[in-house]
Amino acid sequence: GAGVSQTPSNKVTEKGKYVELRCDPISGHTALYWYRQSLGQGPEFLIYFQGTGAADDSGLPNDRFFAVRPEGSVSTLKIQRTERGDSAVYLCASSFAIDSNEQFFGPGTRLTVL
Amino acid sequence: GENVEQHPSTLSVQEGDSAVIKCTYSDSASNYFPWYKQELGKGPQLIIDIRSNVGEKKDQRIAVTLNKTAKHFSLHITETQPEDSAVYFCAAKWTNAGKSTFGDGTTLTVKP
Repeated sequence: GAGVSQTPSNKVTEKGKYVELRCDPISGHTALYWYRQSLGQGPEFLIYFQGTGAADDSGLPNDRFFAVRPEGSVSTLKIQRTERGDSAVYLCASSFAIDSNEQFFGPGTRLTVL
Repeated sequence: GENVEQHPSTLSVQEGDSAVIKCTYSDSASNYFPWYKQELGKGPQLIIDIRSNVGEKKDQRIAVTLNKTAKHFSLHITETQPEDSAVYFCAAKWTNAGKSTFGDGTTLTVKP
């Protein structure tokens, strides 16, 4: 079956602009996770959802970052007033449930803020 | 919170040799330890994992060992092949929490 998909694969924007990154999890997976990966580092947790609700958003760096999952499937990560330091690969993962340890990752969206 | 340290950051081996990557974690509540392989332009892919009630797990050429007392776990790849070249990440997680904490990765190069 289809894996986790993310769109766009690449996004270039200017400092101060607003961006939306989309994640389509594996069908039937109730848990969805967002991570950010900077060059040469491991993925860093941002937020995860169980169903429609954000179960833990402790990794969001500041209030410019926000994520939604209105119908418990597709999720959108929203970044306002982008800064050059936001440049990174944004990874989405899903799992069958929160206590299903195995997380399946998408290919990521590479965000570049000029 | 959890802190995971991984080393070495780079590892170069000859084809057919073994490769070992080591990680330490800080939170004794962590009970799930996955290893991921990440190829250029792709997301991390799970290659093997171990739970805290097990000391060792093997899957063909790949094995993972866990020492809960010392809070460290290792990835062992035997008979390495050029296609094993990639970045490998360890992670630690508590089953009832969604997030995984990752190490900074090891770039493995297998020379033919």
